[in-house]
Amino acid sequence: AQRVTQPEKLLSVFKGAPVELKCNYSYSGSPELFWYVQYSRQRLQLLLRHISRESIKGFTADLNKGETSFHLKKPFAQEEDSAMYYCALSGTAAGSYQLTFGKGTKLSVIP
Amino acid sequence: EPEVTQTPSHQVTQMGQEVILRCVPISNHLYFYWYRQILGQKVEFLVSFYNNEISEKSEIFDDQFSVERPDGSNFTLKIRSTKLEDSAMYFCASIPDRGRGNEQFFGPGTRLTVL
Repeated sequence: AQRVTQPEKLLSVFKGAPVELKCNYSYSGSPELFWYVQYSRQRLQLLLRHISRESIKGFTADLNKGETSFHLKKPFAQEEDSAMYYCALSGTAAGSYQLTFGKGTKLSVIP
Repeated sequence: EPEVTQTPSHQVTQMGQEVILRCVPISNHLYFYWYRQILGQKVEFLVSFYNNEISEKSEIFDDQFSVERPDGSNFTLKIRSTKLEDSAMYFCASIPDRGRGNEQFFGPGTRLTVL
């Protein structure tokens, strides 16, 4: 069974401080990993995906297959980063492209 | 930029009543999904739909639930006889195809309250 764990329900950091949102996964195969973000009163939207190896809004995430982790990091938090962040996994076998989400971490950036 | 839309934004119903939640996916997308999020819990997959049939469904998606694409644009989720525990946010999502790492585009959600 596939599972995503985000151990922190709430993370508060000061503006300018580094941010790390933790995500661990369980999947018997090679999953696709994503971070979705939901700003206040807005829809879920993709922040980044591991396959693209991109940096979006200063955020990066590295897939560590040994530790089965996909932690989200940003060196200097901004107030506009305050939002709910969801780590999600998608299987890569045929017919398994639905997303399995973690419970989410609410990031609060204190001015 | 095209977006997934959902109506209504909030639906209140009595237990035992039927509800239909509506979604309009992005026009050139081919795969459609319904998810739900009970307050305080994680977003959970319900069902995926392609080529006018269900591709996959979760154990949550029992006989009380059904989906259809009646007119080539709308994608609906019907709950035949609502229970209190069906109260949740329901999200529709769509993707153009099922390639690796494809982004799912989400609608704003419908908040269903069952009294």
